[in-house]
Amino acid sequence: GENVEQHPSTLSVQEGDSAVIKCTYSDSASNYFPWYKQELGKRPQLIIDIRSNVGEKKDQRIAVTLNKTAKHFSLHITETQPEDSAVYFCAARVDYKLSFGAGTTVTVRA
Amino acid sequence: DVKVTQSSRYLVKRTGEKVFLECVQDMDHENMFWYRQDPGLGLRLIYFSYDVKMKEKGDIPEGYSVSREKKERFSLILESASTNQTSMYLCASWTGTTGELFFGEGSRLTVL
Repeated sequence: GENVEQHPSTLSVQEGDSAVIKCTYSDSASNYFPWYKQELGKRPQLIIDIRSNVGEKKDQRIAVTLNKTAKHFSLHITETQPEDSAVYFCAARVDYKLSFGAGTTVTVRA
Repeated sequence: DVKVTQSSRYLVKRTGEKVFLECVQDMDHENMFWYRQDPGLGLRLIYFSYDVKMKEKGDIPEGYSVSREKKERFSLILESASTNQTSMYLCASWTGTTGELFFGEGSRLTVL
């Protein structure tokens, strides 16, 4: 089955700085790569996604890049704010199955 | 808005008890999922269902079963709860067309 690895497991950044989270996947059949944000005590929610026929996608302060050849994808958050503090999960989909990484706890220091 | 509702937010059960976790979605989604969330392990897929009465094993199905008798309802069953099944359980639904998976609030199960 698909194996998604995510790094780092924790990330502390100064407010206003950038944060980068990296993921790798194992199954070349994966064709959809979402990122979910989970605030403390809340459900995971989709923040951005990218399909395998696209190399980069941006939505305001967040962007995702995909390198299919290397089987890795990354989340970039610019100008971080306190409300960006959360756990972020990457994922990869093959058919019906969405496999998640272990998560990155991001803390934005004021 | 899509609503995925899990019937119990917190449960405490004893080893060996049978446990039912219920999930209902209101958007007529074909596909429903049960994940387990543990610190440092992320979300791991237990079972999923792509149609009524259809089910497929996920990555960690051992010790669990599921039931989908109606399209909107997907139940996770622990036939004989064990302490290593203490965890947060997340239900999710998916249309199968757009990419987004919609999650419920989660059910935190403690097995003593």
